[in-house]
Amino acid sequence: RKEVEQDPGPFNVPEGATVAFNCTYSNSASQSFFWYRQDCRKEPKLLMSVYSSGNEDGRFTAQLNRASQYISLLIRDSKLSDSATYLCVVNTVDGNKLVFGAGTILRVKS
Amino acid sequence: GAVVSQHPSRVICKSGTSVKIECRSLDFQATTMFWYRQFPKKSLMLMATSNEGSKATYEQGVEKDKFLINHASLTLSTLTVTSAHPEDSSFYICSAREAGGTNYGYTFGSGTRLTVV
Repeated sequence: RKEVEQDPGPFNVPEGATVAFNCTYSNSASQSFFWYRQDCRKEPKLLMSVYSSGNEDGRFTAQLNRASQYISLLIRDSKLSDSATYLCVVNTVDGNKLVFGAGTILRVKS
Repeated sequence: GAVVSQHPSRVICKSGTSVKIECRSLDFQATTMFWYRQFPKKSLMLMATSNEGSKATYEQGVEKDKFLINHASLTLSTLTVTSAHPEDSSFYICSAREAGGTNYGYTFGSGTRLTVV
């Protein structure tokens, strides 16, 4: 089983739509969780960290369910510029390395 | 914010030659740098963790004699792909963590696209 699993998509949505991505992780002792965004042929960039209490940053909401080892990202009012690959990332238990999911492709169309 | 410069951004080389990729932290000291590779439509896979002044720690399955890593200073780590073959063609990305930084302090370079012909 992969350490971090995501639905690869692609998710094709119209502008203004709400879209949700899910991710599961295998190590129950993991402590830190993130969503990164990667544009084609570019480096990944941190979108937001994920906290147990859930957190929101503008149109983006991230949630963590430790019991189910499940992380989600919700994007409201999708923009064309949101088109990218969204990477679910988990820090190793010792905190020394990041483990990346394979990414979920989002395509927002007008 | 923290900036990591990676060079070159793109390189094409012949089979059998070696290629060096540099990763520099421009405005902070990085005791730890990480090297990843990414194949098309695949995730970033950690190749090795580089610590300043000591030997790199390689992930399982990564040949340390083929992917030479040097982290001689707090601002520079290099990855040398030796005797490159077409199957080494990939996107290589470095990241750096600031000395004393938290789990959140990872900054990525812009990546190097290597094509071996």
